[in-house]
Amino acid sequence: EADIYQTPRYLVIGTGKKITLECSQTMGHDKMYWYQQDPGMELHLIHYSYGVNSTEKGDLSSESTVSRIRTEHFPLTLESARPSHTSQYLCASSELGTGKPEAFFGQGTRLTVV
Amino acid sequence: AQTVTQSQPEMSVQEAETVTLSCTYDTSESDYYLFWYKQPPSRQMILVIRQEAYKQQNATENRFSVNFQKAAKSFSLKISDSQLGDAAMYFCAYMNTGFQKLVFGTGTRLLVSP
Repeated sequence: EADIYQTPRYLVIGTGKKITLECSQTMGHDKMYWYQQDPGMELHLIHYSYGVNSTEKGDLSSESTVSRIRTEHFPLTLESARPSHTSQYLCASSELGTGKPEAFFGQGTRLTVV
Repeated sequence: AQTVTQSQPEMSVQEAETVTLSCTYDTSESDYYLFWYKQPPSRQMILVIRQEAYKQQNATENRFSVNFQKAAKSFSLKISDSQLGDAAMYFCAYMNTGFQKLVFGTGTRLLVSP
């Protein structure tokens, strides 16, 4: 069973605050991803990682940053939240270089910046 | 860059009937993976079905099957004997085997009526 956890599920925060969205997986997957899902439901890749100490920017430019110090943990940080950051953020993970490439997703964090 | 196109923003089906969701993609790669994911309202994104490009046989998972046309770069999802629980957003996704970036289409909302 896939186990990937995101916290918090919902977050309402004021403009200018620093926030960290947590994502953890217990499957030992090397690949991890962050997607931003807009109200129209379209998914945009904002960050991904191949493993520890690897981080890459995705297709959609984002002011957020990520880190990958441990295999199981891939947090996303916004240094200064703005209303334009209001969105749903989905974390996912997958195996690297195997015959099972499918990504498993967390439940998402719905962020509202007021 | 790879792109995935879902031209049907919304589809409707009655319970027990069959519906087909369309997806086309663009790539210059010869080896890749294609997926259909389901995202129920306010719930987790889950994998419905996977297709390896090197396999000619269409993938099937219970009531879900695909029609994979590699030359036409088409990957449709057929849902047979539709159930109320099938109502969700369905995303077609592409992953190349090299960089393993997962690219999504814009999604099709499936409505199921009794």
